[in-house]
Amino acid sequence: AQSVSQHNHHVILSEAASLELGCNYSYGGTVNLFWYVQYPGQHLQLLLKYFSGDPLVKGIKGFEAEFIKSKFSFNLRKPSVQWSDTAEYFCAVNSNSGYSTLTFGKGTMLLVSP
Amino acid sequence: KAGVTQTPRYLIKTRGQQVTLSCSPISGHRSVSWYQQTPGQGLQFLFEYFSETQRNKGNFPGRFSGRQFSNSRSEMNVSTLELGDSALYLCASSPIEGQSYNEQFFGPGTRLTVL
Repeated sequence: AQSVSQHNHHVILSEAASLELGCNYSYGGTVNLFWYVQYPGQHLQLLLKYFSGDPLVKGIKGFEAEFIKSKFSFNLRKPSVQWSDTAEYFCAVNSNSGYSTLTFGKGTMLLVSP
Repeated sequence: KAGVTQTPRYLIKTRGQQVTLSCSPISGHRSVSWYQQTPGQGLQFLFEYFSETQRNKGNFPGRFSGRQFSNSRSEMNVSTLELGDSALYLCASSPIEGQSYNEQFFGPGTRLTVL
């Protein structure tokens, strides 16, 4: 069975600080990888996704993530966070088996102080 | 295009009752999945429907069931509610084809409280 591990449950940063959220997954086959964000009171939105090709993917709002296959990792990064980035971030994996089913990590709550 | 819609948005039930939640996918999306979100367990997959057939199921008891209609709208039902069923229930739709075939688009959720 697949599993996803997010390293930090809570992260507190000041505005303009750099962000890196860790995500590791366990699955031996081909995977599709996602980062979703849930802003306070809003629904889950896709930040970025990796299906194949360039392992460095860029998403919305200046976020990017790098897929490192040898490390089973898909870490999320942003060079300079803003107060509006305060949200919960979820890493998710799909096994590319033909199903859309996502396995999610437990999430990381990011608080950005102005 | 309108996004995924879920009704009702909030629901309060008592133990032992049953509940039905509804989801309308994005127009043209044929796959609908359901997830349960709780503070302790995070987001857990319940089931996925495609062309009115359940094609994948998570590790939940048989009290949780669902169905999909010919217009791709989906309902999930929870019978004999328990306190632990209190959660945010999320519906997601997926186009199943094209470049975004494995991407899921989420609705706002139904917040179920069991007293």
